[in-house]
Amino acid sequence: DAGVTQSPTHLIKTRGQHVTLRCSPISGHKSVSWYQQVLGQGPQFIFQYYEKEERGRGNFPDRFSARQFPNYSSELNVNALLLGDSALYLCASSLEVAYNEQFFGPGTRLTVL
Amino acid sequence: AQSVTQPDIHITVSEGASLELRCNYSYGATPYLFWYVQSPGQGLQLLLKYFSGDTLVQGIKGFEAEFKRSQSSFNLRKPSVHWSDAAEYFCAVGPYSGGGADGLTFGKGTHLIIQP
Repeated sequence: DAGVTQSPTHLIKTRGQHVTLRCSPISGHKSVSWYQQVLGQGPQFIFQYYEKEERGRGNFPDRFSARQFPNYSSELNVNALLLGDSALYLCASSLEVAYNEQFFGPGTRLTVL
Repeated sequence: AQSVTQPDIHITVSEGASLELRCNYSYGATPYLFWYVQSPGQGLQLLLKYFSGDTLVQGIKGFEAEFKRSQSSFNLRKPSVHWSDAAEYFCAVGPYSGGGADGLTFGKGTHLIIQP
C-alpha cells in the first residue's frame, strides 16, 4: 500500500512568488495535517483538515492557506514568499481527526531565493 | 501552552551500547506522546506512542519509552544500538481529546551519532 505522497520533492522559488504543495494521504485516511520544518528544528504545525474542513491552525500568517478535496488530498498554498519560508514542508495523514497515528510523507523541500 | 523539551541536541553512543534519549513535556491535560525518527532527507517515522494504560510502551526497531507523569517525562530507550539507528529523533505531544485542533507539538530533536 502506498504511504503519504507529496509533490514536488524539491522546489526553488524567489521572494514574492506563490507556491502550491500537494499531498495525497494514505487510502482511507480522512485527516491531513501540514507542518513546516526549518533546518535544525522540529516540525511546526500549520493546518489540520478533516472532511474538507479546517479543524486546526497553527501560528502562521495569512499568507499560508490550505484546502482538502473530496478525495481527501490536500494543497498547501503560500503567497508572497519570504526567505524565511525556506523549509521542509511535511504532510501527515491519519484515519480521523483525533490522534490516531499520524503518518508522515517524505516532505517537499522549498528553497526561497 | 503545550511544549516539549529535548535537552540533548547531540548524543554519541558506541554501537552495541544502550541508549536513552530524554524528553520532557508541558501539557495541561492528559497528553498523547510520541517518538518519531527522521533519517537525512526523509519524512518522520513513528517509533512508538503513548495514549493511556501501561506506562512502558514498546515500539518498532527495539525501542521502548516510559511515561512518568510525576516527572512529565517520556524518555526513549534502546538496550543495544545499531549503526542504522543514527538519525534525528523527535519527541512530540498532542491533545488527548478528539479535537486534535492544535496539531502535534514537537521538540527540537536529538541528533544521534553511532560510533563504530
